[in-house]
Amino acid sequence: QSALTQPASVSGSPGQSITISCTGTSSDIGAFNYVSWYQQHPGKAPKLMIYDVSNRPSGVSNRFSGSKSGTTASLTISGLQAEDEADYYCSSYTITSPWVFGGGTKLTVL
Amino acid sequence: QVQLVQSEAEVKRPGASVKVSCRASGYSFTDDYIHWVRQAPGKGLEWVGRINHKSGGTNYAQKFQGRMILTSDTSINTAYMELRRLRSDDTATYYCARVTVGTTCFDPWGQGTPVTVSS
Repeated sequence: QSALTQPASVSGSPGQSITISCTGTSSDIGAFNYVSWYQQHPGKAPKLMIYDVSNRPSGVSNRFSGSKSGTTASLTISGLQAEDEADYYCSSYTITSPWVFGGGTKLTVL
Repeated sequence: QVQLVQSEAEVKRPGASVKVSCRASGYSFTDDYIHWVRQAPGKGLEWVGRINHKSGGTNYAQKFQGRMILTSDTSINTAYMELRRLRSDDTATYYCARVTVGTTCFDPWGQGTPVTVSS
């Protein structure tokens, strides 16, 4: 069982917005602002999309945004495009592990 | 640009060992950490461990303590992950990833090395 909980799947139509949640505990997401999000297309390595809860690396579209409330972090993708269809993983620094990932969310663009 | 290039796929018998390499370029290798993350077929990501190249210090996920060894050769900017006493559930793609000192995010990632453990 993954330490962080994500929905198994989400879907949306082109142009719409979707949000993926990532629920942790007071030992990880609740303790630090060190949540990051990764996009993974089939057969490819993960790619960093958001770091430190809400920061975008250079080159990542501003359609991707992140936030956190308590022990739950969220990734929002606005203006959905076909190329956004992928698996998304959250990750957090933790007091114990010290890094943990979510189980992953499959995004389908309808 | 910053790049991590990993060694090719491996097939091993149960009980054997495997050593995967990760060659870095485009940045000062000793300034940052290399982390290892694995992904079993059809499954999610799992943090495995990390190495500090300057000190040689390592940290491992508890489940790999005693079976995994992370090393690096700073003369050729290459990190290594060795996993011993392989089991069938070690079958996975193993990724290396850079973590810049002072940050906690993995960027970039290597292309991944599939390791298959089968009798």
